[in-house]
This record gives sequence, structure tokens and C-alpha cells, in this order.
Amino acid sequence: TQLLEQSPQFLSIQEGENLTVYCNSSSVFSSLQWYRQEPGEGPVLLVTVVTGGEVKKLKRLTFQFGDARKDSSLHITAAQPGDTGLYLCAGEQGNNRLAFGKGNQVVVIP
Amino acid sequence: GAGVSQTPSNKVTEKGKYVELRCDPISGHTALYWYRQSLGQGPEFLIYFQGTGAADDSGLPNDRFFAVRPEGSVSTLKIQRTERGDSAVYLCASSLSPQGGYGYTFGSGTRLTVV
Repeated sequence: TQLLEQSPQFLSIQEGENLTVYCNSSSVFSSLQWYRQEPGEGPVLLVTVVTGGEVKKLKRLTFQFGDARKDSSLHITAAQPGDTGLYLCAGEQGNNRLAFGKGNQVVVIP
Repeated sequence: GAGVSQTPSNKVTEKGKYVELRCDPISGHTALYWYRQSLGQGPEFLIYFQGTGAADDSGLPNDRFFAVRPEGSVSTLKIQRTERGDSAVYLCASSLSPQGGYGYTFGSGTRLTVV
């Protein structure tokens, strides 16, 4: 059983469109992190959210942590081909480890 | 170094052989983690070091897997009697602190293929 469920698993959109991907769980997390991973590389940290209801922006990326700290969303505005990648969410439960979802594979077509 | 370095980047070995995977973390990062990522999956926790000691090795799948970090910097993941099911990308990450949501810096991984 996956602790974190990410949806959709795969998403293909045209350049300039907006998209939202989701990371859901029935568990509460002390923090939640989003990473982007490209083929042959390790995940690269995008953001960490800690407070329930928190919203963080990173250029065209907006991250939201649910009020109950069980879920999160990532919204990309005006997607560009450089946004293509596997987006991984990872939750920390205070046990010094991260639990990862399977990821959202995003493809932005020029 | 500037980032987390993992060597080798690729390793092909025969079933039953012994392998060692190396991780050189960011200088000053006391927390070091090993994760394993199979095709189509997210990274799965293996072991966590705080300094020289393995603070949590509960993610190691069985006793064929072992990891060390003798001087609190470089770590080596050792796999004995490799099996085809061990094939995966082994990722190492380091962090300033294990707590407080600092986030991890990952290496590029070692792709292990057992034939």
C-alpha cells in the first residue's frame, strides 16, 4: 500500500497551458516536499511545506499544503517544455525518513 | 564537493556476486540516506546515518544488504550474493539535519543491473 498517492500518473499538455497535479494521503505529515526528477538523474528539491494551508510559489509553480497536512497540490501556470519531468511528493512523519509517492510524469509539448 | 557524488554511475554484475556502491555527500551534511528506486516507482527508504552510526536501518530488505559510514562522511552500500531483484537505481542523499524539513540533496544514483 502506497502511503502517498499521486494523480494523475501521466499528464501531457501543450506549451502555455496550465496544469495541476495532486498528492494525497490518509496520514498526517510534519512536512511535505516536492521534487522534480529527470531521466538518469536524482530528484531535485523544489519546495518544502510545513504549515497546514501553506502556499508557496516558485516562479510559475504554486505549491499548496492541505489544511490537515495530509495532501498537497502543485499547479504550473503557462507550462513550458522545460517543465517536463517526473514530479515526486515526499512526506516526513518525524521518523527521519521520507515516504515518496510514485510521481506525476508531466510532458509539455512545444 | 558542490553536490552529492555517487560512483559508479552504472554497474552490471552477475547473479551471486558482491557489489559496493559509494556515496560522497555534501561537506558538512551530517545526515546521509540511501534509497532504492525501481522502474516506475518512487524512491524507497533503505537506511539513514546520523554521523557515523546507522540511526535507522529498518528499510534494508534483508541481511544481504549492509552500509557503513566509518568517518561520518563517505558511505558505502554493500550487497552480497546479488539477485536479479536487486536491479534498481540506488540513490544517496544528504541533508544538513534530519528534521525540520530541510530537504535532501540527492546524487544522480548508481544504476545496478544484476544479470
